Amino acid sequence: QVQLLESGPGLATPSQTLSLTCTVSGASISSGKYYWTWIRQPAGKGLEWIGRISTSGATSFNPSLRSRVTISLDTSKNQFSLQMTSVTAADTAFYYCARDRHCTDTKCYSLANWFDPWGQGTLVTVSS
Amino acid sequence: IQLTQSPSFLSASVGDRVTITCRASQDITSYVAWYQQKPGKAPKLLIYVTSTLQSGVPSRFSGSGSGTEFTLTISNLQPEDFATYYCQQVNSNPLFTFGPGTKVDV
Repeated sequence: QVQLLESGPGLATPSQTLSLTCTVSGASISSGKYYWTWIRQPAGKGLEWIGRISTSGATSFNPSLRSRVTISLDTSKNQFSLQMTSVTAADTAFYYCARDRHCTDTKCYSLANWFDPWGQGTLVTVSS
Repeated sequence: IQLTQSPSFLSASVGDRVTITCRASQDITSYVAWYQQKPGKAPKLLIYVTSTLQSGVPSRFSGSGSGTEFTLTISNLQPEDFATYYCQQVNSNPLFTFGPGTKVDV
């Protein structure tokens, strides 16, 4: 059973860098037809995709966040990480990591994906 | 491409048949996924590739649609189904977009 768990500081300082790690168990982050993704959700609001990284390290980002976001793999620890620079109060949210799939057992899709499973989420508050 | 969901809030009773609609701002030649989120919890995948039920999800959940309109139907609503539901799609960028959510409440 694949499980993901987010970790990192719950408080970030305005203008500084937010750093989170997602530890994956039950699957290798460096193999399989998967991507590993970050999604966030301000309290009481909707979901926003931040970006993703492939098993080979290729990344894609939400254009609205691209200039501030880095996602990386640490295969030795089976973890992937998010760094977001120049944070403001608008970045206060629950941050989730998830596995990003686009293949079933029999077929891969170019215009379909789904996020499963998700981590439990971690709240990051940006405040001085 | 933006996704809208209707209704944004739905009042229902146990045993009801509920339909949530997800509309794309333009014809999307892609599929949608549906998620259920309960308060204080991460979203949970219900349906992918528009109509495929995720393993372990009760068969009272179903999905359909194409083009600009997709639906999630819950037949025989159960107490544990009161939650917020989100649709999600991908464009060719890739850019992944979620709908704003539909809260199903008593």
